[in-house]
Amino acid sequence: GNSVTQMEGPVTLSEEAFLTINCTYTATGYPSLFWYVQYPGEGLQLLLKATKADDKGSNKGFEATYRKETTSFHLEKGSVQVSDSAVYFCALSESGGGADGLTFGKGTHLIIQP
Amino acid sequence: DTGVSQDPRHKITKRGQNVTFRCDPISEHNRLYWYRQTLGQGPEFLTYFQNEAQLEKSRLLSDRFSAERPKGSFSTLEIQRTEQGDSAMYLCASRPAGARDYGYTFGSGTRLTVV
Repeated sequence: GNSVTQMEGPVTLSEEAFLTINCTYTATGYPSLFWYVQYPGEGLQLLLKATKADDKGSNKGFEATYRKETTSFHLEKGSVQVSDSAVYFCALSESGGGADGLTFGKGTHLIIQP
Repeated sequence: DTGVSQDPRHKITKRGQNVTFRCDPISEHNRLYWYRQTLGQGPEFLTYFQNEAQLEKSRLLSDRFSAERPKGSFSTLEIQRTEQGDSAMYLCASRPAGARDYGYTFGSGTRLTVV
């Protein structure tokens, strides 16, 4: 079956540091890949997505590249801010038939200190 | 449109009671999904609808869980004979059909506490 593995948190960084959150996946087909963010007390928000190999998703200074050869979709940001503190979820959506739901990783809690 | 709405935001119930949650999707989204999120975990897919048809329900956690979307608009998720292990955040999401890569819009969730 499908699965998503993210690096364990919490990840604590200082403001303006470089961020990488690792995500790898297992899927039987050709999934689309997503990063969602959950701020305290709020619902999940789509941060970025990529639908095929070598696509790069980007939004709000965050980037992630769909790497089929390494089955990875690592999230990066060059200079984090305190407002980036949240829980980040990597997810995939399987192509073709099947349940059509998203498969999520466990989430990575990011804490940015001023 | 104000996005995906879920009601109530919080529900505390005694073990053994039945509970029902409501989700109102974005009006032009004909696909609607239910997820469960427990503490420290990512959301877990439960079921989904296209219009009023429930296209996947094998992942509902037990026969105590059921969902409906009778007119293809709002949906309800019911848990009968609640157990303490049912305590979790229940999330609803929607998207247009045929737009698998569109991204899902999530509601803020209903937090259930079973005491």
